[in-house]
Amino acid sequence: DAKTTQPNSMESNEEEPVHLPCNHSTISGTDYIHWYRQLPSQGPEYVIHGLTSNVNNRMASLAIAEDRKSSTLILHRATLRDAAVYYCILRVSSYNTDKLIFGTGTRLQVFP
Amino acid sequence: GAVVSQHPSWVICKSGTSVKIECRSLDFQATTMFWYRQFPKQSLMLMATSNEGSKATYEQGVEKDKFLINHASLTLSTLTVTSAHPEDSSFYICSAKTGEWNQPQHFGDGTRLSIL
Repeated sequence: DAKTTQPNSMESNEEEPVHLPCNHSTISGTDYIHWYRQLPSQGPEYVIHGLTSNVNNRMASLAIAEDRKSSTLILHRATLRDAAVYYCILRVSSYNTDKLIFGTGTRLQVFP
Repeated sequence: GAVVSQHPSWVICKSGTSVKIECRSLDFQATTMFWYRQFPKQSLMLMATSNEGSKATYEQGVEKDKFLINHASLTLSTLTVTSAHPEDSSFYICSAKTGEWNQPQHFGDGTRLSIL
């Protein structure tokens, strides 16, 4: 299964931008890059996803490298509520399967 | 939109009993539902994928007779942990998605299962 590599933890101060990196060197041409985040004792929350082009939504931006072997989730202004574990996931899909394989994620701490 | 509700949120029961967990999509039709398990300080592990009206597809190492999955309607899937033992204690999380190709999964808030 496709695999991603993320730093175990990162820190940020409130209202500063945060760049969360992810390496996925074994990505195939049809794998979408998904980002979810999880707060303690809750289910994951969808953040953003993309294939080749950079993506923006109300929560974050996703910057995808030209060779697609890495990507960066960008939180433009971190808030205390953004403290969570962020998972970078390759969505594996084919004619008979469509699933997310979670890695270990990055624990983001946000300081006031 | 895209709300997934899980029930119960936590359950404690004796070893040997069976426990049923429900997963409902409240405002969309879920063609596919997924069940995950998460142990403390670990990531989510996919257990099985179920499509409405079909048998679930289990991941390698997950016992299908131990974890019974039913997806009888487009808004409801259930996971039954049969003859539960302490090692089955975990955080069980479901997710659901529509049949549209490029839509994300939406997750429930999980069920914390403790087997005494």
